[in-house]
Amino acid sequence: ILNVEQSPQSLHVQEGDSTNFTCSFPSSNFYALHWYRWETAKSPEALFVMTLNGDEKKKGRISATLNTKEGYSYLYIKGSQPEDSATYLCAFGGGTSYGKLTFGQGTILTVHP
Amino acid sequence: GAVVSQHPSRVICKSGTSVKIECRSLDFQATTMFWYRQFPKQSLMLMATSNEGSKATYEQGVEKDKFLINHASLTLSTLTVTSAHPEDSSFYICSARDPSPGGNAAQETQYFGPGTRLLVL
Repeated sequence: ILNVEQSPQSLHVQEGDSTNFTCSFPSSNFYALHWYRWETAKSPEALFVMTLNGDEKKKGRISATLNTKEGYSYLYIKGSQPEDSATYLCAFGGGTSYGKLTFGQGTILTVHP
Repeated sequence: GAVVSQHPSRVICKSGTSVKIECRSLDFQATTMFWYRQFPKQSLMLMATSNEGSKATYEQGVEKDKFLINHASLTLSTLTVTSAHPEDSSFYICSARDPSPGGNAAQETQYFGPGTRLLVL
């Protein structure tokens, strides 16, 4: 069973704060690490697909880094806004033919005005 | 682009009945769709991988006779929970992959539906 862990489980920040959270995953048989944002009552939204060690990707105020050798990825949010409140999921993609993903439990972010 | 719909969003049924959940890719063709289940405070757990025109591949511990999956077209996969029982009450969510030729499947984005909340009384 693959172990994908996210920390912290939940996080409360004030509007304007910058924050970050972690996803740890197996360092062997790595093909991809996916990040999703999931707002209540909506579909999970794909943020990043990260494939190379040292990758750094950015989308607006959100960025992510990847270390495949030690098996972790960080997601950063700069200047958090209330609309950033959501559950952030990471998912590990190993070497399977159909591309199945193993998800972490998610980090629930609440940004207070 | 890359929108996936799921229907119904919520269903309540009596124990022993069957429930069908539909997953549709609206603006792309999905040769592969995935069905996940999420229990409270747990992660999304893959139940099965559904490939158009072939039998689904079920994860260990998932009963294929109880969770029937049909992927008859490139835009539609259905999950039928047969003879549902209260322990089947959960959140079911599908995703679809828009494959790129020669691409690595694990590196392709999965697009998710909004999920179905099933409550079996």
